[in-house]
Amino acid sequence: DVKVTQSSRYLVKRTGEKVFLECVQDMDHENMFWYRQDPGLGLRLIYFSYDVKMKEKGDIPEGYSVSREKKERFSLILESASTNQTSMYLCAILNRANTEAFFGQGTRLTVV
Amino acid sequence: GQNIDQPTEMTATEGAIVQINCTYQTSGFNGLFWYQQHAGEAPTFLSYNVLDGLEEKGRFSSFLSRSKGYSYLLLKELQMKDSASYLCAVRDGGATNKLIFGTGTLLAVQP
Repeated sequence: DVKVTQSSRYLVKRTGEKVFLECVQDMDHENMFWYRQDPGLGLRLIYFSYDVKMKEKGDIPEGYSVSREKKERFSLILESASTNQTSMYLCAILNRANTEAFFGQGTRLTVV
Repeated sequence: GQNIDQPTEMTATEGAIVQINCTYQTSGFNGLFWYQQHAGEAPTFLSYNVLDGLEEKGRFSSFLSRSKGYSYLLLKELQMKDSASYLCAVRDGGATNKLIFGTGTLLAVQP
């Protein structure tokens, strides 16, 4: 079974803090994704990565950055957290055949 | 641009059949996925279509027509536990495997 692990299930941070969300996979897959999910808006793609040190902007990259120094780890960074970044954050990986995406359990981030 | 459309909500009766539609307009196409998501949980994989036609997997089937930019998920013999959101996603064209989701369809199964 593929395992995608996100570092925290729940997180509360203050406005202006730098926030790191970590995602680790155990299957050596290239493609990794960060989404945020908000009621009525579905999953919106923030950033994705198709290889180590390679990254592409998704549909809503503003206010976020990412890091992929090792294949198994893809980090989402909120440079200066704001209240409108309160959301559920989901990490996903795509298998080598590109036929299935596996999700982490999600991180519910609250910015106060 | 890119756009994936699904109905926002649907209601069906236990034991019945329901069809959830998805239409897409993307710059490229390399496959369509369906996911199920229960409240408070991560999405779980249901199906993948890359060629036209019907893929059947137990009570769930998924259909794709690439020329029409259209897919549907068919759920048979509905059970109460099928109450969930159903997400349609498209893998965009090109080498970077961008995976884009629709807003999801919330299905309520009633006794």
